[in-house]
Amino acid sequence: GAVVSQHPSWVICKSGTSVKIECRSLDFQATTMFWYRQFPKQSLMLMATSNEGSKATYEQGVEKDKFLINHASLTLSTLTVTSAHPEDSSFYICSATQTGGIHGYTFGSGTRLTVV
Amino acid sequence: AQSVTQPDIHITVSEGASLELRCNYSYGATPYLFWYVQSPGQGLQLLLKYFSGDTLVQGIKGFEAEFKRSQSSFNLRKPSVHWSDAAEYFCAVGANQAGTALIFGKGTTLSVSS
Repeated sequence: GAVVSQHPSWVICKSGTSVKIECRSLDFQATTMFWYRQFPKQSLMLMATSNEGSKATYEQGVEKDKFLINHASLTLSTLTVTSAHPEDSSFYICSATQTGGIHGYTFGSGTRLTVV
Repeated sequence: AQSVTQPDIHITVSEGASLELRCNYSYGATPYLFWYVQSPGQGLQLLLKYFSGDTLVQGIKGFEAEFKRSQSSFNLRKPSVHWSDAAEYFCAVGANQAGTALIFGKGTTLSVSS
């Protein structure tokens, strides 16, 4: 079945530094990837949608200059949290889909980001 | 507006008892419905999904869900709960359109008592 690899699974960084999270589709071409953020004991909130070769579409309230998303190939999307602050600490999950929902949404295993 | 409502924030059931987790949705297009389970600190595991056809869908781990269009519901059921089922459960809705993200409910925490 479709597999999405997300790396790293956890990361600790200092305030003011940047962190890059990778999301790779291992056995299919992900035309669209989604990035979600999940606060403790809360639901997944969509941050942005990225299509290969295009600029990401950000949800209202998400700072695109802070959360840089790149989807340069059909198998890789990256989320870079720039100038991280403690309030950016969260669980980030990516999801990839091939040609729409009927083929399913495959989720990565998530990245736990802690900013100290 | 598109939304998913899971009315129950927290449910506790006894091991061996039956379970029903409620999910209601509001979606403009034909909905594609999903149930996911998440253990603490882990990613999401797909339990089952409904696209079309038989409205009673069987999933993994003995779960099933029934799509009721008239009630805009997609409730998750299990006849006999095991202690290992304790986790967070999310209902989600999407569309068969490229570039459409899933919308998640707020989740229901399931605790299993012995």
